[in-house]
Amino acid sequence: DVKVTQSSRYLVKRTGEKVFLECVQDMDHENMFWYRQDPGLGLRLIYFSYDVKMKEKGDIPEGYSVSREKKERFSLILESASTNQTSMYLCASSTPGQGSSPLHFGNGTRLTVT
Amino acid sequence: GNSVTQMEGPVTLSEEAFLTINCTYTATGYPSLFWYVQYPGEGLQLLLKATKADDKGSNKGFEATYRKETTSFHLEKGSVQVSDSAVYFCALRSKSGGYNKLIFGAGTRLAVHP
Repeated sequence: DVKVTQSSRYLVKRTGEKVFLECVQDMDHENMFWYRQDPGLGLRLIYFSYDVKMKEKGDIPEGYSVSREKKERFSLILESASTNQTSMYLCASSTPGQGSSPLHFGNGTRLTVT
Repeated sequence: GNSVTQMEGPVTLSEEAFLTINCTYTATGYPSLFWYVQYPGEGLQLLLKATKADDKGSNKGFEATYRKETTSFHLEKGSVQVSDSAVYFCALRSKSGGYNKLIFGAGTRLAVHP
């Protein structure tokens, strides 16, 4: 069965800390995504990767970076965490190219920055 | 740009009631349309999809028809159950900036009581 695993369900970090959110998929998917989910705003795309070492900015990349050294792993990095980055973060993966391919999501990481 | 608008929630229904959650979209070209569901404490799961005009997606008693003339993709179910309580997201996927991008609505929370 398809599986996207996010390493932490809950994280609490202090302002200014460097934060790593990890995501692993076991479906050999080329595409991987990071979204953040906020009430009333739905899901907003932070970054996207369509291959190893390739990345594209999404709608809200400011304050974030990503790393994709291996096909199965896509990391989201908060260089210096701020309170406005308190949110639910969702990782997803999909096959490439076909517009009808669905995204497969992990269970999310709820990050609180104090 | 591309966007998705959903009816605001929460939607509160009694068990066995009829459900409609409205979704309209703005997009260039011919996007694929999706409904995702998020149960408490979980990530998003694909509920159904439609890839061209007049297609009907269906799953678990839910259905939605891709209406290009009204740019809509309303979700319906004839008889809801308590276990359908969740947040429902309408989404579209189209080529934008050279890659396939999934754009979500804000989500509609459904609460079904016995």
